[in-house]
Parts: sequence; structure tokens; C-alpha cells
Amino acid sequence: DAGVTQSPTHLIKTRGQHVTLRCSPISGHKSVSWYQQVLGQGPQFIFQYYEKEERGRGNFPDRFSARQFPNYSSELNVNALLLGDSALYLCASSRQRDISGANVLTFGAGSRLTVL
Amino acid sequence: QQQVKQSPQSLIVQKGGISIINCAYENTAFDYFPWYQQFPGKGPALLIAIRPDVSEKKEGRFTISFNKSAKQFSLHIMDSQPGDSATYFCAASMGWQTDSWGKLQFGAGTQVVVTP
Repeated sequence: DAGVTQSPTHLIKTRGQHVTLRCSPISGHKSVSWYQQVLGQGPQFIFQYYEKEERGRGNFPDRFSARQFPNYSSELNVNALLLGDSALYLCASSRQRDISGANVLTFGAGSRLTVL
Repeated sequence: QQQVKQSPQSLIVQKGGISIINCAYENTAFDYFPWYQQFPGKGPALLIAIRPDVSEKKEGRFTISFNKSAKQFSLHIMDSQPGDSATYFCAASMGWQTDSWGKLQFGAGTQVVVTP
């Protein structure tokens, strides 16, 4: 089975531009979460979507937005890019609960964004 | 404000030795504590997880110890191998109690290097 797939894997943008990152969850997973991982730090939660509804939002500015499509794939959009937005953006998918009740998030390899 | 504090930042252990990573949390509403392993260029991968009604969980060479009263938990890697060289993240969430199971609070990470 395919894991969580993210695209693009790497991209370079300049300040003020806009970026769209895409995520395809594992088949059968209806929840997608987005995280930002700055080099040398732990991932920071941005959004969670479940059944196309936003279920959680982290402490990020309104420049960050996301949506989930009927096929449960998701997009993360960042407007007016700043140098500080340079990071690895991770997508994770999950079922609502697995058989044991655990909340197992499976992460993709991420999209590496560099803002110049 | 960091809700999960992780230490040490890095550690070096000889092959066959024991690696110990510690985490502390503040929010007593957390009810799920996973550990993730991340290799360079990859997304985090779930290693082992525990719920607060259990004091210890072992899977192969990896053991989580959980101290609810002290609000601390730790990862022990027994018989460390060079292939264990990676960055390890502790995390916490309130997944069991809320709809925000996709929202993990990560520690800052521990870079583990296992020397031959």
C-alpha cells in the first residue's frame, strides 16, 4: 500500500509569493493533519481536517490556509511568503481511531520549502 | 510556549549501550504519548506509544516508561545499534477525549548517534 504522498518534494520561492502544497493520504484514512518543521526543531501543528471539515488549527497566521477534498486529499496554501516560512511541511493521515484506539498518525516525507 | 520539553538535545552511545531520552509535559489533559523516529530526508515514523493508565510498554528493544504523577515519560533504547542513529521526538495529544486527535504537541527532538 502506498503511504502518505506529498508534492512537490522541494521548491524555492521568493518573499511575497504564494505556495500550494499537496497531500494524498493513505487509502481509507479520512483525516489529514499539516505540520511545519523548522530545521533542528520538532514539528509544529498547523491544521487538522477530517471529513472535509477543519477540526483544529495551530498558532499560525491567516496567511496559512488549507482544505480537504472529497477524495480526502488536501492542500496547504501559504500566502505572502516570509523568510521564516522556510521549513519542511509535513502531512500526516490517520483514521479516526484504529482497532486498539490509538491515534496513529502516518507522516509523509514532506515538502521542503525554501523562501529567498 | 512549549508544552512538551525533551532532553537531552543530543547523545552519543556506543553500540550495545542504552539510550535514554526524557520528556516532561504540563497539560494533564494529554492522554496519548507517542515517540517518533526521524531519519534525514524522511518524515517522522511512529516508534511506540503509551496511554497514561499504563506505567511501562515494551516493544522489542524500545521501552516507554511513564510517570503520571511527575508528568514525565521516557524512551529507553536497549542494545543500541548504528541503524538507530536518528532524531527521536516525544509527543503528546488529547486524542482520546477530543476530535483533535491529529494535533500532536512535539518535543524539540533528540539526535542520537550510535558509534560502532
